[in-house]
Amino acid sequence: EPEVTQTPSHQVTQMGQEVILRCVPISNHLYFYWYRQILGQKVEFLVSFYNNEISEKSEIFDDQFSVERPDGSNFTLKIRSTKLEDSAMYFCASMDQGSRQPQHFGDGTRLSIL
Amino acid sequence: SQQGEEDPQALSIQEGENATMNCSYKTSINNLQWYRQNSGRGLVHLILIRSNEREKHSGRLRVTLDTSKKSSSLLITASRAADTASYFCATDAIGNEKLTFGTGTRLTIIP
Repeated sequence: EPEVTQTPSHQVTQMGQEVILRCVPISNHLYFYWYRQILGQKVEFLVSFYNNEISEKSEIFDDQFSVERPDGSNFTLKIRSTKLEDSAMYFCASMDQGSRQPQHFGDGTRLSIL
Repeated sequence: SQQGEEDPQALSIQEGENATMNCSYKTSINNLQWYRQNSGRGLVHLILIRSNEREKHSGRLRVTLDTSKKSSSLLITASRAADTASYFCATDAIGNEKLTFGTGTRLTIIP
């Protein structure tokens, strides 16, 4: 069964450094998402992406965050200057077109900011 | 309370028993989905129920939806040790497919 893949599985970065999290969504999917889960808390929506542009973003997704789909397969989340509170699991998800489709999630990247 | 609250927060049962988890939400929804998360892993999609559906089955899973009470339940029958995980409900609204997750139920199946 096709799946969403994320790399790396774990990223350790010094505060203030830039980090790029990578995702390969399911190949025929058209909608892409990033979510995050701080340890012990709920999964929170960050951003949705469709037709090569952001369709919605949350308050968390400030100007330190950006997303890109640089080619036909990858979908990346960049954090320009990481803060301690950015430490979390980051999940990528993709969805096929249609209003009644499930979102399929990757295994996540655990981001640890030191 | 926030959109998407599950109860109980934690549930321990003997293998073979049935497990029931509940989810409540506050605003109108388009779909409600249930996901499973094993410790430190990603979210595995289990089942999607549409706002105009009342019940859905998939294998040992049974999901109900009561839009008048803004609540859903997930029943796992004949539980197995491998069902040990956290279970989350997630809702989306009409015209907005971003998911709003609940707090989750941590299910432990005792062999």
